[in-house]
Amino acid sequence: AQKITQTQPGMFVQEKEAVTLDCTYDTSDQSYGLFWYKQPSSGEMIFLIYQGSYDEQNATEGRYSLNFQKARKSANLVISASQLGDSAMYFCAMREGPFGNEKLTFGTGTRLTIIP
Amino acid sequence: NAGVTQTPKFQVLKTGQSMTLQCAQDMNHEYMSWYRQDPGMGLRLIHYSVGAGITDQGEVPNGYNVSRSTTEDFPLRLLSAAPSQTSVYFCASSYSYGRTPGVHTQYFGPGTRLTVL
Repeated sequence: AQKITQTQPGMFVQEKEAVTLDCTYDTSDQSYGLFWYKQPSSGEMIFLIYQGSYDEQNATEGRYSLNFQKARKSANLVISASQLGDSAMYFCAMREGPFGNEKLTFGTGTRLTIIP
Repeated sequence: NAGVTQTPKFQVLKTGQSMTLQCAQDMNHEYMSWYRQDPGMGLRLIHYSVGAGITDQGEVPNGYNVSRSTTEDFPLRLLSAAPSQTSVYFCASSYSYGRTPGVHTQYFGPGTRLTVL
């Protein structure tokens, strides 16, 4: 079974609209972390936001927020007021298990295109 | 801080050749790792290290070797290049979760695009 599932291969969104990128995960560990990375066409991986499994509040970083629903095992990324510069690939990733285990498992990504 | 640096940025090899992809970080991170990115497959972990002298295999280790003699450097060696190793390779580093509270980000290098003919 896939540990990280991103079901939207591509999305087109009008500029200034909010967008939600879906991510579901599968783990039996109690301690885990969820990450979102952005990969623009230039190729670098840019960290956006992190949510720990024990964090009670949803993570927010500027225009990015993570809608964490633990019981549903989902960790959707919400981008408010989208901008043309948000056009990129977006990857959800998970770190599982005990302290000291930093291995990340990535989803296959969602290509987001912002339309002017 | 330079962050995570990788060299070269591009490389073309012939089948059977060997080479080393270099990765260095100047953030004193304990954890370093190598991923490969193939179209439609996201990033997959090749090898990782939790500190100098300690390495372990990830999801797709075959055909690759690593060593970690210093905290800063984590080179990836292709022993005998094959066309299936054509990919983009990313090095990443982070503090080790639990050792440095509240710091969870893995920082990625700019990537090396490798083509094996």
